[in-house]
Parts: sequence; C-alpha cells; structure tokens
Amino acid sequence: DGGITQSPKYLFRKEGQNVTLSCEQNLNHDAMYWYRQDPGQGLRLIYYSQIVNDFQKGDIAEGYSVSREKKESFPLTVTSAQKNPTAFYLCASSATLYYGYTFGSGTRLTVV
Amino acid sequence: DAKTTQPPSMDCAEGRAANLPCNHSTISGNEYVYWYRQIHSQGPQYIIHGLKNNETNEMASLIITEDRKSSTLILPHATLRDTAVYYCIVRAQNSGGSNYKLTFGKGTLLTVNP
Repeated sequence: DGGITQSPKYLFRKEGQNVTLSCEQNLNHDAMYWYRQDPGQGLRLIYYSQIVNDFQKGDIAEGYSVSREKKESFPLTVTSAQKNPTAFYLCASSATLYYGYTFGSGTRLTVV
Repeated sequence: DAKTTQPPSMDCAEGRAANLPCNHSTISGNEYVYWYRQIHSQGPQYIIHGLKNNETNEMASLIITEDRKSSTLILPHATLRDTAVYYCIVRAQNSGGSNYKLTFGKGTLLTVNP
C-alpha cells in the first residue's frame, strides 16, 4: 500500500545533539512538508519541498535543516540551535503544492 | 489563508450525527474548505473538501452555506473511533504566493460518548 513512513516513532536525544528524522513516501508525490505540533496546539510548518533538490522555509525554520535528494525522501535535521526541540513532528506529502495532504504517523522527539 | 473559527470542543452520543461548525467569513472566491481530523498521537487524516456545493463521501458530508461564510461537517453515525480533533481549513486550490499552505488551527475536539 502507498503511504508515508516516519521513523522512529519515538526518539530521545541529549541536549546539544543534532538528530535526523526520517520521512519516506511511495505515493509518487512531488511535494513534501514538515510540521511541528506542540501539546494542545495546531500544526506549524517548518519546511516544504515542491520538487527534488528544492526546498523552502516555512513559518518556523530556525534551528532546522532539510534535504531533498530523492523524490521519495525528505529528512529533517533538528540541530542544537533549535531552542525547544521537544515536540511531535509530522511529515506530509501531496501530488503538487495545491492538492490535499497525506500525513505520516509522526515522530515524537524528546530532548533531555 | 482565510481565518477559520471553530468551537474548541463538542460532545456527541455514539450512533448520533455529529455536526461540526466552522466559520470562515473572510473566505475568498477561489478558496476551498478542507476538513482534516487527527486522532490522538497520529497524523491528520483528510476527510473532505468543497468549494460551493455540498459534498459527500464515505466518511462525511460537507454543507457550505450559500454565502460560503460558514460550513458544517456532518458525521452521520458517530462511533467511538471518531473521537478526534477536527480541523477546518480554507485554502486556494491554485494560486501563487503562500496560498499553497494548509494552516492548521487548534480545531474542535469531538468526543463521542458511549
């Protein structure tokens, strides 16, 4: 079945360490997105990519980096510069920027 | 994106219809109304979307008022598994700038009670 896979589901890291969250899709979608969700809050856009080798900052890109070397993959790195990295991270994809989104099941990152 | 207003929470009895309202009084002519839901600790799931006409699929019905300033998502026979946060979003289908974004507010927490 086609879908988006995020791994791992739970991730623990020490403060000051960079960590990379995986997102893979087999839907042949061009566009991919990373959102962050804090408890009781809506989703906030971190980065998005319209096509391979291209990506743009979203609303809260500071302290994060991404790459889009393959159509299927859009990994997110949470760097030590991100002041409050503990959150629920969601990856999504869509056929183009203007179609509906398919979401992964999320990665819950805890930094201690 | 036009701003949407939803009640923070609603309750519904199992087996009854759940009617979730959304106000989008500043919606533009080319903006669609989308509904997603998020079950606790999972990614959001697409439910339905529409422009002007009422829409129905296997999950729900979407009723949009004639002036398009508000809409209602209807789950005809709510089950316990429908307990989730429901997000109403408006977005242009094809336009430039940042209108591609799906902007998720806090949504409505629907609790279906046995």
